[in-house]
Amino acid sequence: QVQLQESGPGLVKPSETLSLTCTISGGSISNYYWSWIRQSPGRRLEWLGHIFSSGSTNYNPSLGSRVSVSIDRPKKQISLKLTSVTAADTAIYYCARVRDSVEYGDYFDHWGRGTLVTVSS
Amino acid sequence: EVVLTQSPGTLSLSPGERATLSCRASHSISRNLAWYQHTPGQAPRLLIYGASSRGTGIPERFSGTGSGTDFTLTISRLEPEDFAVYFCQQYGGSPMYTFGQGTKLEIK
Repeated sequence: QVQLQESGPGLVKPSETLSLTCTISGGSISNYYWSWIRQSPGRRLEWLGHIFSSGSTNYNPSLGSRVSVSIDRPKKQISLKLTSVTAADTAIYYCARVRDSVEYGDYFDHWGRGTLVTVSS
Repeated sequence: EVVLTQSPGTLSLSPGERATLSCRASHSISRNLAWYQHTPGQAPRLLIYGASSRGTGIPERFSGTGSGTDFTLTISRLEPEDFAVYFCQQYGGSPMYTFGQGTKLEIK
């Protein structure tokens, strides 16, 4: 059974960089897209970006150049970096595996439980 | 951007009853819609993909219908473990994925 576990600091200061890691177990990291998604208090889920196992990436344009996702295949880890954070970046951050399907459209078939990150001085 | 609007915001029902949840898209998305169940503190669970295909291990009481802009998730007979938040997600456009705001299914 594929399991995803997010980890990283729970508190980040304004203007600093938020860094999170997602560790994948019970399945292969290869030949899948891996996404980061967040939910801020009172707001709907927001897709941040994803990376294919080859390293190609795609990001939500709303975040501009602040977001980047990387992959460490031997460690079976996906990482998220979000620069110049503000209080608006306070959220629960999830990683999820993407199933890409021409017939059905892409969807997320496995998720982590999420990790809360608070931006505050 | 494709905006997904879910209704109702909260649905109060009793175990054994039928639940009908709606997700409306601002633009046609064909059948590129998925539904998830989320209990706070747990990982979201895929229920339905491609508007009507059940995910692995999902009970038959969960069913999805719709295409274009109007989609429905139906739970035929509610079990105690079904009381949770449900959200829809679409694929396509920019950004690639967007989500509905969620429907909270609570015990009446």
